[in-house]
Amino acid sequence: GAGVSQSPRYKVAKRGQDVALRCDPISGHVSLFWYQQALGQGPEFLTYFQNEAQLDKSGLPSDRFFAERPEGSVSTLKIQRTQQEDSAVYLCASSGRTGTGVGKLFFGSGTQLSVL
Amino acid sequence: GESVGLHLPTLSVQEGDNSIINCAYSNSASDYFIWYKQESGKGPQFIIDIRSNMDKRQGQRVTVLLNKTVKHLSLQIAATQPGDSAVYFCAENSFSGGYNKLIFGAGTRLAVHP
Repeated sequence: GAGVSQSPRYKVAKRGQDVALRCDPISGHVSLFWYQQALGQGPEFLTYFQNEAQLDKSGLPSDRFFAERPEGSVSTLKIQRTQQEDSAVYLCASSGRTGTGVGKLFFGSGTQLSVL
Repeated sequence: GESVGLHLPTLSVQEGDNSIINCAYSNSASDYFIWYKQESGKGPQFIIDIRSNMDKRQGQRVTVLLNKTVKHLSLQIAATQPGDSAVYFCAENSFSGGYNKLIFGAGTRLAVHP
């Protein structure tokens, strides 16, 4: 497809369960971002990839969060031992640029994670 | 620290009226600003951007104004339509740790009434 694709669209997990969220960016896009969006809030930065390199992971809230992009295209965000506070929409975004212009991001529809 | 915030959490307008959504930012070093629109169940959609060397930029029915003196950003939507109903976020480009990232505000909900 032409846009950023995320799967699954919805994920319900029991507390303590591991989850994996997938992102297919726009083909050829160098930059890939993960954001976390709590209900009624703006997206919060989690991590940034330039091709396969994870250059910035300063926004990951704990060591239970892990992201990878091994071939510089598809990315996976993994959350281990999920907690209720992890419930949120996880957004993936990509850009064909680096530097300041990277701000023109194309977002997927997100994965809504609910931890029971 | 860096922060981007909005003055009004909810804005209700009549169809056909003009809408103005405001945003304050705190990082005077920010050089790039963006407005996004987010409809229910969807990801944010790019509307318009502006660099800090400009004070106004126009798109189709939308205008962004930047006042660097008071660190204020606004989005004007002309002839607001029901399809404009959504949450609007301003975001600023933050250069930290050697890389650029977007810092989003909390959002303003725009409700358009017929």
